[in-house]
Amino acid sequence: AQRVTQPEKLLSVFKGAPVELKCNYSYSGSPELFWYVQYSRQRLQLLLRHISRESIKGFTADLNKGETSFHLKKPFAQEEDSAMYYCALSGRGAGSYQLTFGKGTKLSVIP
Amino acid sequence: KAGVTQTPRYLIKTRGQQVTLSCSPISGHRSVSWYQQTPGQGLQFLFEYFSETQRNKGNFPGRFSGRQFSNSRSEMNVSTLELGDSALYLCASSLGTSGSSEQFFGPGTRLTVL
Repeated sequence: AQRVTQPEKLLSVFKGAPVELKCNYSYSGSPELFWYVQYSRQRLQLLLRHISRESIKGFTADLNKGETSFHLKKPFAQEEDSAMYYCALSGRGAGSYQLTFGKGTKLSVIP
Repeated sequence: KAGVTQTPRYLIKTRGQQVTLSCSPISGHRSVSWYQQTPGQGLQFLFEYFSETQRNKGNFPGRFSGRQFSNSRSEMNVSTLELGDSALYLCASSLGTSGSSEQFFGPGTRLTVL
């Protein structure tokens, strides 16, 4: 079974402070991992995926297979980063691949 | 390019009734996935359709079913509604299957069961 854990429901940081949103996963194979974001009154959208190794809006995430983690980081938080963040894992379920989401972390950036 | 659309946006039903939700994917996308979102359980995968075939199914009872048409539009049906079915139902479309391609989400259908 595949599982994604985001230990923090809510994370508050001051503007300009570093941000780290934690994500741990459980999966027996080689997973593909994603971060999705939902800004207020907007749709859920892809932020980044580990295979692309991109930095999007200043965010990066590194897959650590030893610690089974995929934490999302940004060195300096901005007010517009306030949103709900979901970590997701794509792995083979009962049939083909399916996307399993964590329960999300609400990031609040204090001006 | 138009995004994923879902109809209706809001729905109120009573226990025991059935409901059908509709999802129109982005033009050219062949995969449609459905998710249930609740405050307690978060986003849970219901099923995925690709080229009119169900590719995968989450851990939901048989009251939850779906289908996909030749134009890739998808419908989800819930029969014998229970109070616990109250949730936001999201659909997402992608070019390939959900495991390999970026998913684009719709605005959701808010279902309230009284």
